[in-house]
Amino acid sequence: GAVVSQHPSWVICKSGTSVKIECRSLDFQATTMFWYRQFPKQSLMLMATSNEGSKATYEQGVEKDKFLINHASLTLSTLTVTSAHPEDSSFYICSARGIPGYTFGSGTRLTVV
Amino acid sequence: DQQVKQNSPSLSVQEGRISILNCDYTNSMFDYFLWYKKYPAEGPTFLISISSIKDKNEDGRFTVFLNKSAKHLSLHIVPSQPGDSAVYFCAASGNSGGSNYKLTFGKGTLLTVNP
Repeated sequence: GAVVSQHPSWVICKSGTSVKIECRSLDFQATTMFWYRQFPKQSLMLMATSNEGSKATYEQGVEKDKFLINHASLTLSTLTVTSAHPEDSSFYICSARGIPGYTFGSGTRLTVV
Repeated sequence: DQQVKQNSPSLSVQEGRISILNCDYTNSMFDYFLWYKKYPAEGPTFLISISSIKDKNEDGRFTVFLNKSAKHLSLHIVPSQPGDSAVYFCAASGNSGGSNYKLTFGKGTLLTVNP
């Protein structure tokens, strides 16, 4: 089946630093990947749609300069949280269109201190 | 405006019984629906999906029913097992789930299956 690998699974960083999260489709090519954010006991909120070779499409209210998305190849998309602040602490999850349906990565727990 | 609603935040059932998780949607453009299971600090795991051209899809212990006129779908798990205890998310998509179309998620229902 389709597998999406997300790395790191957890990260702690200081305020003001940047953090990069990687999302790889291991056994299929994904022209489109999606980045979600989940707050405790809340739904998964779509942040942006990452398209290979083009700019990401951000959802309303998501700061594109803060959450940089790069989709340089058909198997890799990255999300960089720039100048992180404590309010950016959350669970970030990527997904890619696979068979069947959308396959999700295992998520990244970001804690900004 | 929440387009996908899971009105029951939690559900508790006995092992061996049926679990029924409900989901309502408001956007008539949705034509592809999925259910995911999620454990804390993990990504969602795909369970089952259904296209709007069907009203039922079955896979082992999991069956999804779709009532388009009521804009309602449900996930039935039978028999329920303690390992089924998790948060279940309903998600919907338009464009027949095409690769560029985003998923809209409900808030999830925490299922607890008691031994």
